[in-house]
Amino acid sequence: QSALTQPASVSGSPGQSITISCTGTSSDVGSYNLVSWYQQHPGKAPKLMIYEASKRPSGVSNRFSGSKSGNTASLTISGLQAEDEADYYCCSYAGTTTNWVFGGGTKLTVL
Amino acid sequence: QVQLVQSGAEVKEPGASVKVSCSASGYTFTAYYMHWVRQAPGQGLEWMGRINPNSGGTNYAQKFQDRVTMTRDTSISTAYMELSRLRADDTAVYYCARAPSAVAGHGGYWGQGTLVTVSS
Repeated sequence: QSALTQPASVSGSPGQSITISCTGTSSDVGSYNLVSWYQQHPGKAPKLMIYEASKRPSGVSNRFSGSKSGNTASLTISGLQAEDEADYYCCSYAGTTTNWVFGGGTKLTVL
Repeated sequence: QVQLVQSGAEVKEPGASVKVSCSASGYTFTAYYMHWVRQAPGQGLEWMGRINPNSGGTNYAQKFQDRVTMTRDTSISTAYMELSRLRADDTAVYYCARAPSAVAGHGGYWGQGTLVTVSS
């Protein structure tokens, strides 16, 4: 059982928008604005898409956005494209001892 | 450019140990924490621990506390993760990931991953 809860799957048609939620607790997501999101294609290493809840690394499309409210963080992908089909993982800082906790991952299918 | 290059795939018998390396380039090795994350086949990401390459100080996930050792060699900008008393369920891809600071919720750069297979 993962520390953070994500839906197992989401889907959308090209051009549409989807949102993936990530629910934690007051010990992780709720305590720190240090939530990140990763995209992972099969056989590849995770790629950072969002950090510090809503910041985008250089080179990441502005179709990807993040937000956080209370114990829940969200990743929104607008203008879905076929290449967005992948697994998405959220991650939160959870203090000095535990450090990083991950969600179980969400498989995004572009219909 | 920042690069993290990991050692090659390993096959180990149950009960053995494995040591995975992560060679860093393109930045000052001692300035950034290095984390280790693993992913079992078809499963999600799991944080194992981190090392401060400057001091050598470590933090380990409770699950791996008694079996994992993270070290570094600053002379060659390389971090290591050793896992002992291997079991079949340790079969996974192991990643190193560079974090920007001590208090950070993300790894901006990841290695390519090292597949460790535990089988008799």
